[in-house]
Amino acid sequence: EDQVTQSPEALRLQEGESSSLNCSYTVSGLRGLFWYRQDPGKGPEFLFTLYSAGEEKEKERLKATLTKKESFLHITAPKPEDSATYLCAAITGNQFYFGTGTSLTVIP
Amino acid sequence: EPEVTQTPSHQVTQMGQEVILRCVPISNHLYFYWYRQILGQKVEFLVSFYNNEISEKSEIFDDQFSVERPDGSNFTLKIRSTKLEDSAMYFCASSLGTPFFEQFFGPGTRLTVL
Repeated sequence: EDQVTQSPEALRLQEGESSSLNCSYTVSGLRGLFWYRQDPGKGPEFLFTLYSAGEEKEKERLKATLTKKESFLHITAPKPEDSATYLCAAITGNQFYFGTGTSLTVIP
Repeated sequence: EPEVTQTPSHQVTQMGQEVILRCVPISNHLYFYWYRQILGQKVEFLVSFYNNEISEKSEIFDDQFSVERPDGSNFTLKIRSTKLEDSAMYFCASSLGTPFFEQFFGPGTRLTVL
């Protein structure tokens, strides 16, 4: 069964404390792995697309990486405004699966 | 910056009633989607729409659901006879090129079925 799992469910960091969020996927024929940010009461906001193992993408304090089984979202020196839920999603064939997300809180 | 808009932001309805959720996708986008998110659960794909027809749908999208693009700008999701378990946040999204890639999501409509 195709599945996308994220860990941890919740993460609290001090401002400036770097960390990584994990997204494990078991899907057949992965066509793309996506990272989204979701603020409370809002729709997901697109961050990155990764297509193949070994690929990396960066945007400000965020860097996404992809292996054959998982993806990581690395957050370097986070700020309070990085607090949000981070979702990963995978597409296989023409089905799209979201993970349950990691709720990140960055404390000043 | 162009954005996806959705109306209403919150809809309350009685069980068994029909509801229509409305979305205005980004104007030059070609692919349109509906997702739902039950409180505390994953965002779930419902349906994708391209060239005035459904291109993909999930198991959730059964006969009580339908989608339509009634004019050049709106994209609607109709639930014919709402159930308590239809209570969720419904998100519309659109994308320009390859299906499912780089989707832009709207702010959502919270549907409450009483």
